[in-house]
Amino acid sequence: DSGVTQTPKHLITATGQRVTLRCSPRSGDLSVYWYQQSLDQGLQFLIQYYNGEERAKGNILERFSAQQFPDLHSELNLSSLELGDSALYFCASSTRDTEAFFGQGTRLTVV
Amino acid sequence: GQQVMQIPQYQHVQEGEDFTTYCNSSTTLSNIQWYKQRPGGHPVFLIQLVKSGEVKKQKRLTFQFGEAKKNSSLHITATQTTDVGTYFCAGVFNAGNNRKLIWGLGTSLAVNP
Repeated sequence: DSGVTQTPKHLITATGQRVTLRCSPRSGDLSVYWYQQSLDQGLQFLIQYYNGEERAKGNILERFSAQQFPDLHSELNLSSLELGDSALYFCASSTRDTEAFFGQGTRLTVV
Repeated sequence: GQQVMQIPQYQHVQEGEDFTTYCNSSTTLSNIQWYKQRPGGHPVFLIQLVKSGEVKKQKRLTFQFGEAKKNSSLHITATQTTDVGTYFCAGVFNAGNNRKLIWGLGTSLAVNP
């Protein structure tokens, strides 16, 4: 158990819909990262938050947004969903200079 | 922009053979991390290399960081079926208060028993 909790584990939704993925980082970790992993693909970095502020942005679509709340949990919002958004979405947390701990992921299926 | 290239993308070996995956960065790294993702699982941290020329070993795994801190390798001696998975490197770039992790695309290792 990495200490990072992601909910839900699985999500099936229709095209055009909006979903919210939730991540609770490890206790004490200020950094939260979101990644997308499509079938047979590597990890695509989406966005990083540090102590509530956006720290770095990767290949995140404009239809996607994220935020980190004062209690440090984070949410990734995906809207106007397309079939191609079907993927595994990982959240990871870390302290400043140490390794990233990953959650189990949310498997999103858009039908 | 900063990029981390990882090769090969796939490697298929017979059990007992050695395996190596390489990471190359376009710019100097602060440090580099290695992760392993088993099929159906999530990436799990293996090790972090910080110093130029550093070599670290974990049982059959040997990790190296280049002298220029722009490349790294992971070598597995005498692979076993338990080594199956995707190995990712992640280059860490520190710029002031900003710390970025740039990931390689991973090397998927298949081991024939």
